[in-house]
Amino acid sequence: GAGVSQSPSNKVTEKGKDVELRCDPISGHTALYWYRQSLGQGLEFLIYFQGNSAPDKSGLPSDRFSAERTGGSVSTLTIQRTQQEDSAVYLCASSASGPGEKLFFGSGTQLSVL
Amino acid sequence: RKEVEQDPGPFNVPEGATVAFNCTYSNSASQSFFWYRQDCRKEPKLLMSVYSSGNEDGRFTAQLNRASQYISLLIRDSKLSDSATYLCVVIVYGQNFVFGPGTRLSVLP
Repeated sequence: GAGVSQSPSNKVTEKGKDVELRCDPISGHTALYWYRQSLGQGLEFLIYFQGNSAPDKSGLPSDRFSAERTGGSVSTLTIQRTQQEDSAVYLCASSASGPGEKLFFGSGTQLSVL
Repeated sequence: RKEVEQDPGPFNVPEGATVAFNCTYSNSASQSFFWYRQDCRKEPKLLMSVYSSGNEDGRFTAQLNRASQYISLLIRDSKLSDSATYLCVVIVYGQNFVFGPGTRLSVLP
């Protein structure tokens, strides 16, 4: 596609439920990143995929968070047993070949955990 | 100490003013530097890369001081449309983009 696409744009869920957030990066981009941004805060790195390499999961805040990237393209971020502190905007970004290249962000998924 | 720190802001300036933001980074192995802009409730977008010799793009000038480990962004002749949060971004080679917390700018009429 023309840009990074994320869905859904908004997700409201109840505490304890699982959610899946989807990211479709720019075609041909080998690097994909997930960040989250709480209201008024900076971007918090979550996970980074680069080609077929093992992902860098060092930013995942707990084992309730996981992500996969199938076929080197679409990525899904899963949050299990959601908590209120998980409420944030989850941003996906892709770049042509990794760090140092321009990052293109999707418009994010606003997650609200009630 | 955080990896990337920025002026807390907010900066409220009149149209036409010149404003400068600073950003400091802690990892001396940092190799690539950028300024991103984020409008309210929007995703960040690349404003400009920062090169060792300093670089200019229209009204925007970015500078890097490796010895002191800081980056600056200067905006001349501020426009209302410059109102946004400016994010400093640092990369250590082969590692991830590290974003600063951002500095909010409001340009007032």
